[in-house]
Amino acid sequence: AQSVTQPDIHITVSEGASLELRCNYSYGATPYLFWYVQSPGQGLQLLLKYFSGDTLVQGIKGFEAEFKRSQSSFNLRKPSVHWSDAAEYFCAVESDPGGSYIPTFGRGTSLIVHP
Amino acid sequence: DADVTQTPRNRITKTGKRIMLECSQTKGHDRMYWYRQDPGLGLQLIYYSFDVKDINKGEISDGYSVSRQAQAKFSLSLESAIPNQTALYFCATKPGTNNHYEQYFGPGTRLTVT
Repeated sequence: AQSVTQPDIHITVSEGASLELRCNYSYGATPYLFWYVQSPGQGLQLLLKYFSGDTLVQGIKGFEAEFKRSQSSFNLRKPSVHWSDAAEYFCAVESDPGGSYIPTFGRGTSLIVHP
Repeated sequence: DADVTQTPRNRITKTGKRIMLECSQTKGHDRMYWYRQDPGLGLQLIYYSFDVKDINKGEISDGYSVSRQAQAKFSLSLESAIPNQTALYFCATKPGTNNHYEQYFGPGTRLTVT
């Protein structure tokens, strides 16, 4: 069965600092990979996604993520964090055990931004 | 108007009561999902539906049931609510044409069972 690990429950950064949120997955083939963001009191919104091709993908709000097959990772990065980036971030995986793609989410990383 | 709506947005109910959470979408998507979110646990899949006649259990379906009344509507029921069903519930949709799409989420329903 597929699984997703987000090892950091909370991350605190200063505004303007760089950010990297980690995501590791377990699955034999290349799955479909997603990062979602959840602002307080809201539903999840897609930041970016990877299906195939270029392993560095660009998303909204200045975020990017890099797929590394050898490390089974899909880490999210941003060069300069803004206070409005404070939110919960979820990595998700979809794969195909038996003909249908069922999403699996990590437990989330809560980002705290200090002024 | 929002593409994926959930009603109610907040609900407090008592143990043993039956409650229904509703999800409607105007995106024309075939696939619909129900998740619950608990702090530190991420999103757990309760049920999913790939079309009106195709409904499947997710990883935590015990104590829940669903109904897909139409392509646009997918309801989640708690037949006899218990306190550990207190959580934030999300509905999501996705096109069924192929898998190269993300999910679209509703705003969530916060359910408290006392």
